[in-house]
Amino acid sequence: EAGVTQFPSHSVIEKGQTVTLRCDPISGHDNLYWYRRVMGKEIKFLLHFVKESKQDESGMPNNRFLAERTGGTYSTLKVQPAELEDSGVYFCASSPIAGYPEAFFGQGTRLTVV
Amino acid sequence: AQSVTQLGSHVSVSEGALVLLRCNYSSSVPPYLFWYVQYPNQGLQLLLKYTSAATLVKGINGFEAEFKKSETSFHLTKPSAHMSDAAEYFCAVSASADYKLSFGAGTTVTVRA
Repeated sequence: EAGVTQFPSHSVIEKGQTVTLRCDPISGHDNLYWYRRVMGKEIKFLLHFVKESKQDESGMPNNRFLAERTGGTYSTLKVQPAELEDSGVYFCASSPIAGYPEAFFGQGTRLTVV
Repeated sequence: AQSVTQLGSHVSVSEGALVLLRCNYSSSVPPYLFWYVQYPNQGLQLLLKYTSAATLVKGINGFEAEFKKSETSFHLTKPSAHMSDAAEYFCAVSASADYKLSFGAGTTVTVRA
């Protein structure tokens, strides 16, 4: 069974550009989470999908970030326009059902804004 | 709200020595507790989890952790370090119905030959 897959693994963009990160969760997992680790800081929660619905987006830093989950399958996280402070590693995680405490993480996307 | 404190951002141990990584948490409700590991150029991998069953939890690669409610701690140990244990370790807590995680700052372990 394939794990959580994230694309791209690395992205370097200029300030002001747009970047879209993609996460493919484990097949059949209803819960999908996005997290971010800014250099030297803790891994922070961004948002949580249940199927295609946003359950909690309290961690989204500002309105330059837009997350979607098409048909309850893969998810995208778009940053537009990117700023220097958006640099970091973006992790995606999924879990199978409501009430299942363990989340499975992808390898992360390292975003560098220059 | 919940939070996690990991004591020590870097730990260096000799091969064969005890590995001890400290984690303290705060939570207003009974928590689920996790240790994750990130090896170089890889994603987060679950080492072990506490979900209100046995307080001594055994994980992969010889690691274990003990949940101590009175001390609000969930320290990670391994009796004998191996070179392959060099990685960054994260303690995390979940205490909400949607199981979102709050992470500690991470502890980087280096193993000396």
